[in-house]
Amino acid sequence: EMQLVESGGGLVQPGGSLRLSCAASGFSFSSYWMTWVRQAPGKGLEWVANIKLDGSEEYYVDSVKGRFTISRDNAKNSLYLQMNSLRAEDTAVYYCARDWYQGLDVWGKGTTVTVSS
Amino acid sequence: DIVMTQSPESLAVSLGGRATINCKSSQSVLDSSNKKNYLAWYQQKPGQPPKLLIYWSSTRESGVPDRFSGRGSGTDFTLTISSLQAEDVAVYYCQQYYISPQTFGQGTKLEIK
Repeated sequence: EMQLVESGGGLVQPGGSLRLSCAASGFSFSSYWMTWVRQAPGKGLEWVANIKLDGSEEYYVDSVKGRFTISRDNAKNSLYLQMNSLRAEDTAVYYCARDWYQGLDVWGKGTTVTVSS
Repeated sequence: DIVMTQSPESLAVSLGGRATINCKSSQSVLDSSNKKNYLAWYQQKPGQPPKLLIYWSSTRESGVPDRFSGRGSGTDFTLTISSLQAEDVAVYYCQQYYISPQTFGQGTKLEIK
């Protein structure tokens, strides 16, 4: 069974940092682009970042450029999101998802990030 | 960035009725080289992650009931649920995956009338 499991969320103060992880299983992780999507409380979906199969290309939404870094370790079947200089507006559920070039077809259950003093 | 605009924001339809959700992109998501529209639809129920329903604007994901259909090309797209079931109550999102950053519409909340 294909599965994605996020971890690393929690409560952090404004200006702080957090590193999210996403563990993949049940498919060939290194064969797919991977994506982070977030959803603020009561709001819609926001695409955050994605990364190419071998990590050679990365793309970000403007609101996180320079603050967030997406990375992957294909040997560990893992995706990461390093989040620095966190703001209240970064409070959200963060999902990792598999990009099979035809949409995002496998999603994790999400991990919650709360930025508050 | 490509802006995706959905309408309506919310919709109430009777059981067995037809639901139609619209999605408009600020620029074309049609790749002329392969004639494919890089447009997907997702369903999200409360407390759950989104579920991919349709990709390439009109291709149903495996296991998705055939009452769900998508159409459109270029900048204008539609998701139709032909005979609404109680389990279809959810928020629906369109997404363009033509250009990164990929972008979602703001969502359409579908309820039973």
